Amino acid sequence: DAGVTQSPTHLIKTRGQQVTLRCSPKSGHDTVSWYQQALGQGPQFIFQYYEEEERQRGNFPDRFSGHQFPNYSSELNVNALLLGDSALYLCASSSLRQGESTDTQYFGPGTRLTVL
Amino acid sequence: AQSVTQPDIHITVSEGASLELRCNYSYGATPYLFWYVQSPGQGLQLLLKYFSGDTLVQGIKGFEAEFKRSQSSFNLRKPSVHWSDAAEYFCAVGYTGGFKTIFGAGTRLFVKA
Repeated sequence: DAGVTQSPTHLIKTRGQQVTLRCSPKSGHDTVSWYQQALGQGPQFIFQYYEEEERQRGNFPDRFSGHQFPNYSSELNVNALLLGDSALYLCASSSLRQGESTDTQYFGPGTRLTVL
Repeated sequence: AQSVTQPDIHITVSEGASLELRCNYSYGATPYLFWYVQSPGQGLQLLLKYFSGDTLVQGIKGFEAEFKRSQSSFNLRKPSVHWSDAAEYFCAVGYTGGFKTIFGAGTRLFVKA
């Protein structure tokens, strides 16, 4: 059973460019969340997708957008890249189980984005 | 506002010694609490979680955590640390119904021989 997978592993871009990161959730999971982890910090919530719609969003500008496909995989897009966007981008998948009040998020290995 | 505080930025323990990593949370309702571990350059691995019931929860790799509502704490413990436990540890709180998870800033664990 494959866990959460992300691609690419590493990416180098220049300021002003656009980037797309991809995530495939763990088998059986229908919800995908994206997090940004800057060096030396904890992950910060970007947004969450469920049933192909953005269900909740963190404090990130509109330059950050996403998409969820019918197979539950997801993309994170960042436009007009800034130096400060350099970070590890983590995807987490989950599914709210019957009888449980919240879900458990399982994380992928992340995509390391460097903006020059 | 909901938040998670990990007071110790880094901790150094000797191999074989006991470990306790502190975590305090601020959350208005019933908290759903997690501990994750992250090795350098890697994603986060779930160590254990608390949703309800017994306040002492067991996790993988010999870790346990105790939920203390009166102290708003969820400290992680291990009786005997191994060199392979050196990593960054994150405490986190989840919301009812899913949605986002809020993470602390992390505690980096160093293990000395």
